[in-house]
Amino acid sequence: EVQLVESGGALVQRGGSLRLSCAASGFTFSNYAMNWVRQTPGKGLEWVSGISASGGSSDYADSVKGRFTISRDNSKTTLYLHMNSLRAEDRAVYYCVKVHDILTGPSDDALHLWGQGTMVTISS
Amino acid sequence: QLVLTQSPSASASLGASVKLTCTLSSGLSDYAIAWHQQQPEKGPRYLMKLNSDGGHSKGDGIPDRFSGSSSGAERYLTISSLQSEDEADYYCQTWGAGVGILFGGGTKLTVL
Repeated sequence: EVQLVESGGALVQRGGSLRLSCAASGFTFSNYAMNWVRQTPGKGLEWVSGISASGGSSDYADSVKGRFTISRDNSKTTLYLHMNSLRAEDRAVYYCVKVHDILTGPSDDALHLWGQGTMVTISS
Repeated sequence: QLVLTQSPSASASLGASVKLTCTLSSGLSDYAIAWHQQQPEKGPRYLMKLNSDGGHSKGDGIPDRFSGSSSGAERYLTISSLQSEDEADYYCQTWGAGVGILFGGGTKLTVL
């Protein structure tokens, strides 16, 4: 079965750090760019970051640039999001998403396969 | 400014058809988009990729009731024979070099 399963969401203090993981299965992970998208409860979707199939290039939304780092381990078919200096506005459900076509740029394609999401909550 | 504009809400009756619109700003008017559906309390689901010429490729298992079309800077999602499970939020999304990934604000569809 083709699927993405996120984990790592937690309650974390403002200014703290967290690492999200996304385990991929059912497709050739190393052929596809991957992205993180977040959604504040009751609000719309916001793109966070993307990484190329090889992991050699990445993009970030301005709101997280310098604080978040995307990475991947193709041998483990796992995508990561390292989040530092967390703010109240980072509170959201974080989705791992595969793009539609193979071997595209980090954020250069339709988003195609979504995970179920993992919740990040920020405490003061 | 590069934006995708969607009406916040739409409604139609059970069994009827509805056409949702995503309007691309002037810098994006030739771009392809994707449509995504998010049912209540669920994660989003890819519906289709829609080109500027109206050509589209749907996701696996997406019913024939869902179709896409384009006109100028507008991209449309038409849902025919509306069913109760079509009540959801619908998002358009585009992408590109120097643009990253952009989402519209979403349209909340109510099936009456």
